[in-house]
Amino acid sequence: NAGVTQTPKFRVLKTGQSMTLLCAQDMNHEYMYWYRQDPGLGLRLIHYSVGEGTTAKGEVPDGYNVSRLKKQNFLLGLESAAPSQTSVYFCASSFSRNTEAFFGQGTRLTVV
Amino acid sequence: RKEVEQDPGPFNVPEGATVAFNCTYSNSASQSFFWYRQDCRKEPKLLMSVYSSGNEDGRFTAQLNRASQYISLLIRDSKLSDSATYLCVVPLDTGNQFYFGTGTSLTVIP
Repeated sequence: NAGVTQTPKFRVLKTGQSMTLLCAQDMNHEYMYWYRQDPGLGLRLIHYSVGEGTTAKGEVPDGYNVSRLKKQNFLLGLESAAPSQTSVYFCASSFSRNTEAFFGQGTRLTVV
Repeated sequence: RKEVEQDPGPFNVPEGATVAFNCTYSNSASQSFFWYRQDCRKEPKLLMSVYSSGNEDGRFTAQLNRASQYISLLIRDSKLSDSATYLCVVPLDTGNQFYFGTGTSLTVIP
């Protein structure tokens, strides 16, 4: 049982480049989330989705876009990467807003 | 005020000790609460769920105090393998978001 899978696991970008992070879950969860984790700041919600075709902004959405074209996938895009976006990105999914979330293994992104 | 606040620690305790962490939350309407464990450079993993007054699983006990709006995690007979960061998580009842505390760092010393 794969759970939540994120690709890629590591990436180095130059300032201004774009990239897409892919999150896939096989648990038939409605809710999916993208977080970033930075030292001293904890996990902060970037965007989330409550179902196929829906997305919403979280705590720190600027500089990111998302899409949920299929229920099992949630994509996070960086259109023009900035050094401030250097972080560890985690995707998560949950059955509902009051049940536990399951996390992917994370993507370590460095923007130089 | 932050939605979820935790004492960041670090907590350094000897093996066999009992240690407790507290987490305060701001939304009085929150119905469910979670403690996650995160090892260095790994993803958070669910440790315990708390839906009513508390929950117990072996050496771990989570308690909820709705009046004072805090949840606690008690670890008894600490093991070296308990060394990790413990995250308090509170879903917002009025939204669709999980709020994470910044985590409490625990190191169990031989």
